[in-house]
Amino acid sequence: AQSVAQPEDQVNVAEGNPLTVKCTYSVSGNPYLFWYVQYPNRGLQFLLKYITGDNLVKGSYGFEAEFNKSQTSFHLKKPSALVSDSALYFCAVRDGYGGSQGNLIFGKGTKLSVKP
Amino acid sequence: EAGVTQFPSHSVIEKGQTVTLRCDPISGHDNLYWYRRVMGKEIKFLLHFVKESKQDESGMPNNRFLAERTGGTYSTLKVQPAELEDSGVYFCASSQAGIWGETQYFGPGTRLLVL
Repeated sequence: AQSVAQPEDQVNVAEGNPLTVKCTYSVSGNPYLFWYVQYPNRGLQFLLKYITGDNLVKGSYGFEAEFNKSQTSFHLKKPSALVSDSALYFCAVRDGYGGSQGNLIFGKGTKLSVKP
Repeated sequence: EAGVTQFPSHSVIEKGQTVTLRCDPISGHDNLYWYRRVMGKEIKFLLHFVKESKQDESGMPNNRFLAERTGGTYSTLKVQPAELEDSGVYFCASSQAGIWGETQYFGPGTRLLVL
């Protein structure tokens, strides 16, 4: 069965420090991986995705994520955190196996708190 | 370009009442998805439209939920009668057709509270 795990409910980082939000996945075929961010009282905003190609994917607001097939991980990273990065982050996967449905499978979300 | 819009933003109803949520996808997007997040849990898939046809409704919790997409444009999700466990945030997303790794763009969500 397809699944996504975000092992940390909350990540606390000081402004200016690097941040990592962890995500691991399980799918039958090749994974299509996504990161979304939800700011308070807002909808989900697309950050970045991995479909194929370079394992390091760059996205919006200076975020990047690294696809690691052997570890089945897709951790979200940013070299220098901003207070404005504080939000709820969701990792999602779609099974790229031919004939699969289009829906995304989401993790529980990780709350990122960046302190000044 | 306008994003995905949802109406209403909030709804508070009593158990047993009916509520209808509306989603307007990005213009030209054939794929339309409904998801739901119950308090503190994962965002769960409900159903998927391709144009006006239901492609996958495997996530619909029971027959109290009815989704339609008239003419392949906007979609409605009706809950009748509403139960306490239906409370949560209902998200709509849309994406272009024919692109295997297409990005789903989400609306702001409708926060439903059933008392």
